[in-house]
Amino acid sequence: NAGVTQTPKFQVLKTGQSMTLQCAQDMNHEYMSWYRQDPGMGLRLIHYSVGAGITDQGEVPNGYNVSRSTTEDFPLRLLSAAPSQTSVYFCASSMTGGATYEQYFGPGTRLTVT
Amino acid sequence: AQSVTQPDIHITVSEGASLELRCNYSYGATPYLFWYVQSPGQGLQLLLKYFSGDTLVQGIKGFEAEFKRSQSSFNLRKPSVHWSDAAEYFCAGEGAAGNKLTFGGGTRVLVKP
Repeated sequence: NAGVTQTPKFQVLKTGQSMTLQCAQDMNHEYMSWYRQDPGMGLRLIHYSVGAGITDQGEVPNGYNVSRSTTEDFPLRLLSAAPSQTSVYFCASSMTGGATYEQYFGPGTRLTVT
Repeated sequence: AQSVTQPDIHITVSEGASLELRCNYSYGATPYLFWYVQSPGQGLQLLLKYFSGDTLVQGIKGFEAEFKRSQSSFNLRKPSVHWSDAAEYFCAGEGAAGNKLTFGGGTRVLVKP
């Protein structure tokens, strides 16, 4: 099993550009989520999904879109990048939502918006 | 609002010494509580979790945590640290409704030889 994979590892964007951060898992997990990590603020939940076709907002959803067409993939889209979106982004998955099952985290994508 | 606070941003400890990392939570009811570790350039790994029952929870890598309802705390401890324990540690909580983990700001641990 590859676990949770994220691409790219690093990305530099100019303000106003769009891009998609990819996340995939091969554990047949129903629950997937996106977090951003900023110094001193821990990880903050952006969006999450409890299954294919179902998504919901987390703590900091503005400026980000998600969709979940398959169980395996949960891409995060930035439609018009802003410097405030410079951060490290982590994708995570678990068997189901709720706290019963451990969340597995990907290695992260470091995004810089200039 | 639900929140998790880690009062210490940095802690430096000598190799072989004991370690305690503080975590306080603010939830309407007792949340599910977690400790994660992040090594440099890596994702997060779960150390341990508390749902209910025994208030002393054992985790991986020799870590344990104690839930204290009266103090709204869930502190992480290790009796003797190794150089490989140098990392950033995050406390997190999840309410009964589920699906949304709230993280503390993290504590970076430095280990002196």
